[in-house]
Amino acid sequence: EVQLVESGGGLVQPGRSLKLSCAASGFTFSNYYMAWVRQAPTKGLEWVASITNSGGSTYYRDSVKGRFTISRDNAKSTLYLQMDSLRSEDTATYYCTVRSYWGQGVMVTVSS
Amino acid sequence: DVVLTQTPVAQPVTLGDQASISCRSSQSLVHSNGNTYLEWYLQKPGQSPQLLIYKVSNRFSGVPDRFIGSGSGSDFTLKISRVEPEDLGVYYCFQATHDPYTFGAGTKLELK
Repeated sequence: EVQLVESGGGLVQPGRSLKLSCAASGFTFSNYYMAWVRQAPTKGLEWVASITNSGGSTYYRDSVKGRFTISRDNAKSTLYLQMDSLRSEDTATYYCTVRSYWGQGVMVTVSS
Repeated sequence: DVVLTQTPVAQPVTLGDQASISCRSSQSLVHSNGNTYLEWYLQKPGQSPQLLIYKVSNRFSGVPDRFIGSGSGSDFTLKISRVEPEDLGVYYCFQATHDPYTFGAGTKLELK
């Protein structure tokens, strides 16, 4: 059974950092392109960042470029999202996804 | 960025009815490799999104055949024949042809 389990969310002050993790199981993680998608409260889905299966290429939406870093550890079947210089508009539920499967999401709240 | 325009915003239905959702793209979604990476997701209340359709018309594993995706170029449609209670929620189209990948704003399928 495919499982994606996110962790690392919480309440953080503007300007601070947070690192999300996504532990994958039930499939060959190193074969798949992975991504983070977020959803602000009562809003739609927003593609945040993605990474190729080897980790050699990464992509970011403009609003997070230079602040967020996506990475992966294929030996640990884990995806990461390092979020720096957080803003209130980054408040959202963050999903780890391989598109055909999604995690349950982790809430990030940026507020003073 | 590619803009996906979904209509209608909300689709009131009676159980057993057919529903139809349109997704129009601001540019062609035909990739240079010849594939069209247009997908449909359903997000049920309180749940993570789930993949229904990939590459315009291919049903994901376990998706009932009452879900039918069609279209080409920049104009796509998701039809749901004989709506059942478990079909209610918000439907999103999504394109993975052009970077950055983007979602439509969503269409809420709800009971009349």
